[in-house]
Amino acid sequence: NAGVTQTPKFQVLKTGQSMTLQCAQDMNHNSMYWYRQDPGMGLRLIYYSASEGTTDKGEVPNGYNVSRLNKREFSLRLESAAPSQTSVYFCASILFGSSYEQYFGPGTRLTVT
Amino acid sequence: QQPVQSPQAVILREGEDAVINCSSSKALYSVHWYRQKHGEAPVFLMILLKGGEQKGHDKISASFNEKKQQSSLYLTASQLSYSGTYFCGTESDDYKLSFGAGTTVTVRA
Repeated sequence: NAGVTQTPKFQVLKTGQSMTLQCAQDMNHNSMYWYRQDPGMGLRLIYYSASEGTTDKGEVPNGYNVSRLNKREFSLRLESAAPSQTSVYFCASILFGSSYEQYFGPGTRLTVT
Repeated sequence: QQPVQSPQAVILREGEDAVINCSSSKALYSVHWYRQKHGEAPVFLMILLKGGEQKGHDKISASFNEKKQQSSLYLTASQLSYSGTYFCGTESDDYKLSFGAGTTVTVRA
């Protein structure tokens, strides 16, 4: 996936632990997104940032916080992990406009025990 | 609210055609289509804008009926490489995308 990186690729947490998922893009896109994908299901929007300095809730924001650190980076934080947050997390960046572009990162597989 | 996709799954032989539908209960600004292979990230295929024309990507094309809040993805003369799960994403508020549950396409030789 061109230009969107995510770390870590895999993570196992115990209930109640916290962690931050990192996402960075080098394509100068304004908009960045965090999704979760549960087995056999589509993507659900957690939070998004339409532009640097703004963040908004998506469909399933409870239990998460985000930071748009700068134009390149958009992080997702789980303050107190729960087993229901076991999922694959994808970050995406989008360039809206006449030259529309959209790319996803490779994903982070998170297991909460 | 998430859009509804149909069918849930389709099995094709190489060279056959298929149509995947996506419908929303909300007025739409745009519809996006993606393909995801097992264990990989989704890949963006195309976007259809309100008032725009039908789009194409190789032998995969799509249409968008704004009045009915529906979009269809057409797989023509399917190839083995078309196998995967196809998702539609709908934008009804600025920049906010909602995804359907996906349609699994299996193309057999």
